Amino acid sequence: QQQVKQSPQSLIVQKGGISIINCAYENTAFDYFPWYQQFPGKGPALLIAIRPDVSEKKEGRFTISFNKSAKQFSLHIMDSQPGDSATYFCAASSSGNTPLVFGKGTRLSVIA
Amino acid sequence: GAVVSQHPSWVICKSGTSVKIECRSLDFQATTMFWYRQFPKKSLMLMATSNEGSKATYEQGVEKDKFLINHASLTLSTLTVTSAHPEDSSFYICSAEAGQGVGYTFGSGTRLTVV
Repeated sequence: QQQVKQSPQSLIVQKGGISIINCAYENTAFDYFPWYQQFPGKGPALLIAIRPDVSEKKEGRFTISFNKSAKQFSLHIMDSQPGDSATYFCAASSSGNTPLVFGKGTRLSVIA
Repeated sequence: GAVVSQHPSWVICKSGTSVKIECRSLDFQATTMFWYRQFPKKSLMLMATSNEGSKATYEQGVEKDKFLINHASLTLSTLTVTSAHPEDSSFYICSAEAGQGVGYTFGSGTRLTVV
């Protein structure tokens, strides 16, 4: 049973456009929802994270939207750049130093 | 802050030999570390949870005797792949939670190739 479902699997966006990646979760005990960026051969790097007490969080060009009732959250990358081309993973965890559960990833390509 | 250092970054070994991968938290203490495995173009799969001073907790389907985990101090966890076979070739990544305000930090990963 996949606890975090991520879509789309791949995404091509024009430079300057908005990249949108969606995730849905099932476990209502999850209370921490991060997004990670991964380049080939590297470990994941934390981009931005949100907790259920807010519906939106913005850091620079990256925004997380969170819908607790729908159990969904999304990542928006504004003014997408070729350097943003990477694989993005959503994840979730519950309190108590528990491991992250990852979505399957979205391969983003930003073309000029 | 909140850096996790993982070594080696890549290793090639012969079938039947053992390989040790180290994961260190450089500027924080980690009572718990997590080990993941990632196949090409796939997501991270949790292998085990490493607990300082006690036995690791392995996920279903992960062989405890093949993937030995030792968490001897608050800053170091090691994963030893014993009697490695080509099917163990993969990207191994460790992680630790650096605190609620920081979140989970990942090592840079280790590319293991068994020949």
